Order: sequence, then structure tokens, then C-alpha cells
Amino acid sequence: AQSVTQLDSQVPVFEEAPVELRCNYSSSVSVYLFWYVQYPNQGLQLLLKYLSGSTLVKGINGFEAEFNKSQTSFHLRKPSVHISDTAEYFCAVREAAGNKLTFGGGTRVLVKP
Amino acid sequence: GAVVSQHPSWVICKSGTSVKIECRSLDFQATTMFWYRQFPKQSLMLMATSNEGSKATYEQGVEKDKFLINHASLTLSTLTVTSAHPEDSSFYICSARPPGTVNSPLHFGNGTRLTVT
Repeated sequence: AQSVTQLDSQVPVFEEAPVELRCNYSSSVSVYLFWYVQYPNQGLQLLLKYLSGSTLVKGINGFEAEFNKSQTSFHLRKPSVHISDTAEYFCAVREAAGNKLTFGGGTRVLVKP
Repeated sequence: GAVVSQHPSWVICKSGTSVKIECRSLDFQATTMFWYRQFPKQSLMLMATSNEGSKATYEQGVEKDKFLINHASLTLSTLTVTSAHPEDSSFYICSARPPGTVNSPLHFGNGTRLTVT
């Protein structure tokens, strides 16, 4: 079974500052990794995914994440945040051969002007 | 792109009544759909995997008789919360993946907020 840990439940950040959201996972098999964003009272929107290949993955809205197999991490970064980036962010993992998506606890990003 | 639609987006019901939530894949056929539950300020927990034409697969701890899932067609799965109680109040989200895209991420509906009074 796999598990996902998002180390920060809440991250306040000023507008135009960089942000990093940490995600660590555990699994005994190969996994695919995802970051989703959730705006209030809405479903989830995919930001980016890692399946294989380059460990640096670029997504929508200026986000990127780096897969580090030795540290079993998949941290999400954005060099300069906007007010509109205020949302909940979820890291998720799925076994490559499986179907079940396991989510981390989420990180609430609050961008301050 | 692949679109998943949920209906209703919110519902308020009285304790003891049943509520049905629909999940539709609008532009693709989905043999498998997934139902998640999200409590306030918490993560998503998989409740069950809905399989077209067969019984749903429930996660440990999820009551099958309380959360009835029906996947009668390739574009529609329904979740019925039977004899709802206030503790069933939550945000329910469905998801699906287009067929033949095992490496692709899930597409999520916009969720249904259920409030049981």
C-alpha cells in the first residue's frame, strides 16, 4: 500500500514571493505522482503529473515539481505566486500498475497582498 | 478535454431521507468511476470504485448498504446515501479516466456538498 504525507497543512505567503509545498510518499512499487489544486467548493484540477522520464515536471499556472526517488519526494514550487493561487493543494500517488489514487492531507496556501 | 459532471452541486436533506448523486462522463465512456468523500479541511478519501455492469468495490470501513452505487451505463454512476444522518454531511466527489489511458490522471467532477439536517 502507498501513502502520501504533505508536511505543511498551511502555508501563508506574500504575493509575488516563491512558494514550495512539500510532499513525501511511500510505496514498495513504482508509482505515478500528481499534484491537484482545489478551489473552494469545487472539484480537483490537475496541476501536473510525473509518470516517467525527466524528474522536473512543469505544469499549468507556472507550477513545477521535482521527483526525487532517493528521497521519495515530489515537492511543488512556484517562483512567484498570485492572489489567485490561494487554494488547497493535494499531492497524490498511484501505483503504476494500479488504479487507486491516494491523496495527501492537503496544504492550504494563503496568498497575502 | 475529458469532462466529468456531477449533479447536484449541493443538496440539503432531512435526517432519515435518501439522496442520490449523479456522476456523468460527458465526452468519454468510463467503465470505472471513483467516489471520494471529503470532510471539511481534510483530504479526499476513496469510498468505492464503481464498475460498469458489475458490483462496486468498497473501501474498508465504508458501509455498502448505506452508500449504494450503481453504474448502469458507460457514462453514468450514481451514489445514493440511504437513510442519511447528520454525520453523513460531507463533500462527495466523483472521478473517472477515459478508457485506454491508463497512464492518464483522473478527471474530477465539481463535487456535491451534502448537508443533512
